[in-house]
Amino acid sequence: AQSVTQLDSQVPVFEEAPVELRCNYSSSVSVYLFWYVQYPNQGLQLLLKYLSGSTLVKGINGFEAEFNKSQTSFHLRKPSVHISDTAEYFCAGDSSASKIIFGSGTRLSIRP
Amino acid sequence: DVKVTQSSRYLVKRTGEKVFLECVQDMDHENMFWYRQDPGLGLRLIYFSYDVKMKEKGDIPEGYSVSREKKERFSLILESASTNQTSMYLCASSLNPRATEAFFGQGTRLTVV
Repeated sequence: AQSVTQLDSQVPVFEEAPVELRCNYSSSVSVYLFWYVQYPNQGLQLLLKYLSGSTLVKGINGFEAEFNKSQTSFHLRKPSVHISDTAEYFCAGDSSASKIIFGSGTRLSIRP
Repeated sequence: DVKVTQSSRYLVKRTGEKVFLECVQDMDHENMFWYRQDPGLGLRLIYFSYDVKMKEKGDIPEGYSVSREKKERFSLILESASTNQTSMYLCASSLNPRATEAFFGQGTRLTVV
């Protein structure tokens, strides 16, 4: 079955600390991968995407993600988080049927 | 600026009512999607459409139908609302071909009482 798995439902971190949000995808999902962010009471917006080329992808707000084919992972990282990064983050993959499949989400909470 | 607009942010409906959720995009996108979002389950695809009058079932189509009479508008219909359809509903659109970014509306929080 096609799937995208986010291993952590919640990640609490202190402000200015680094963070990694984990995402694994099944091999049946294409290697077009995305991270979206949802701020409270808003829709989703794209953080970054991997289509091909360099395995390290840089996105908005200082986030980056690394595509790892051997581990079927696409983890999201930021070296130093801010209170404003408090949000829910979704990993997603593009299926062969032009559908975008989402993970269950990771809620990032930032402690001052 | 790209825009996907959902007609309501909040809706309260009674069990058994027929409910229409409307979504309009101004980007001339071919693909449009309806998802529902529930805590711990992420976004689950209800239906999507890749062209006018075309539709495909997603992962959880039961109890829902859709209509796409014009390219810019994609409607989600709850034929007879039930309490287990209380959820956040998100509309999105994207260009063809695959692997393009999806743009989302603000969401409609539907409560069925």
